[in-house]
Amino acid sequence: QSVLTQPPSVSAAPGQKVTISCSGSSSNIGVDSVSWFQHLPGTAPKLLIYDNNKRPSAIPDRFSGSKSGTSATLGITGLQTGDEADYYCGTWDSSLSAWVFGGGTKLTVL
Amino acid sequence: EVQLVESGGGLVQPGGSLRLSCAASGFTFSSYWMSWVRQAPGKGLEWVANIKPDGSEENYVDSVKGRFTIFRDNAKNSLYLQMHSLRAEDAAVYYCGLLRGPGYWGQGTLVTVSS
Repeated sequence: QSVLTQPPSVSAAPGQKVTISCSGSSSNIGVDSVSWFQHLPGTAPKLLIYDNNKRPSAIPDRFSGSKSGTSATLGITGLQTGDEADYYCGTWDSSLSAWVFGGGTKLTVL
Repeated sequence: EVQLVESGGGLVQPGGSLRLSCAASGFTFSSYWMSWVRQAPGKGLEWVANIKPDGSEENYVDSVKGRFTIFRDNAKNSLYLQMHSLRAEDAAVYYCGLLRGPGYWGQGTLVTVSS
C-alpha cells in the first residue's frame, strides 16, 4: 500500500482532458512540493511537473499541476495516443525521511 | 546534451553484491541531489536512495538500509549504488536521476537476482 494514493486507472478520448489525483497527508504533500512523472516500463521516467506546478522546459503546457492541502492533481489536456503511460506523483515524507511515490495511474486514451 | 547512463546491472545470486554506476554529462552534476529509483517487474516506481550534492547526507528506503550504499564522485560526474546481500525482491530496473527540476533520468540498468 503506497503512502500516496492515486486511482489505478483513468481513461478519456483523444482531444479530451483528464485529471489524476494524488492524496497524501500532513507529513508529505501537506508540507512539501509534489512532482509528477510519466513512465513507460523499461524507459527513462520523465518529469512532467515539479514544485507542484512547474514544468521543465521540454514539457508542453498541455500538462499542468496543482496542490491544495494534502492533495495534488495532474491535468492533461488535448489528449494524444502518445500520452498513454503510467503516471506517478511523488514527494518527500518528513516522518519517514524518505521520498514516496503514489502507486501509479495507468492512462488509456480510447 | 544531458545524459545519464546507468551501468553495472546483471545477474547475481541471492546474497551477492553488485555496484551500479551512473555517468552524468551535460549539466552541473555537483549542484543536485541525486536519486536511485527502481521498478520491479509488474510493480510501480520505488525510491531507493538519495544523496546531497556534496555527498554529506544520504537517505534510504527502509528495505535497503544496511545493505545498500549510495555515493558520488563529483570530480567524475558519477553516482554509484553499492548493493550487498541482494534478495530476490531487489530484482528490478534501476534508474538514476533527479526527482525535482530539471528532472533528468537515465534509461536504467537491469538487476536480476536468481540462483
